[in-house]
Amino acid sequence: AQSVTQLGSHVSVSEGALVLLRCNYSSSVPPYLFWYVQYPNQGLQLLLKYTSAATLVKGINGFEAEFKKSETSFHLTKPSAHMRDAAEYFCAVTRNSGNTPLVFGKGTRLSVIA
Amino acid sequence: EPEVTQTPSHQVTQMGQEVILRCVPISNHLYFYWYRQILGQKVEFLVSFYNNEISEKSEIFDDQFSVERPDGSNFTLKIRSTKLEDSAMYFCASSEARTGTDTQYFGPGTRLTVL
Repeated sequence: AQSVTQLGSHVSVSEGALVLLRCNYSSSVPPYLFWYVQYPNQGLQLLLKYTSAATLVKGINGFEAEFKKSETSFHLTKPSAHMRDAAEYFCAVTRNSGNTPLVFGKGTRLSVIA
Repeated sequence: EPEVTQTPSHQVTQMGQEVILRCVPISNHLYFYWYRQILGQKVEFLVSFYNNEISEKSEIFDDQFSVERPDGSNFTLKIRSTKLEDSAMYFCASSEARTGTDTQYFGPGTRLTVL
């Protein structure tokens, strides 16, 4: 079985500060990992994904995440937060085989303070 | 940019009533999914669909749920007899192919409220 744990249901940062959203995974097979963002009243939008290539993955809007097998982590970072980054962020994992249901974490709400 | 659309955005129904949630996946996508998110909880997988049949379903997807692709564009989720605990946000998603590397594109969701 696969699962992800997102540490911190709510993270608050100042505008211009580093954003760090934590995700740890559990998987019995090599995982594929994703970060999705949900802005208010919108669907889930893919930020980035890890598919067993480079361990440092760059995504949209200046976000990146690093796959660390030894730590079973896939934390999301952004060097400088913008007000528009305020949203709900979801980490997800799936198997690297045919059926691909995504298993999501509980989400982390990011607030950006001016 | 192509996107997944869902209607209605909000559905209110009485317990025991049937509801149909509609989705229009991205046109060249072949795989379709339904997920749901009960308020304050995780987004959970319900069912995946390919080539006019269910590929995989979760424990949540019991006999009161069904999915259908009635025509070339729509993908529907039917709940036959709604329960209070069915109140949730329901997300439709679609992807081009069936491997773990392919992105699932999500719609904006339908908020279902069962009274």
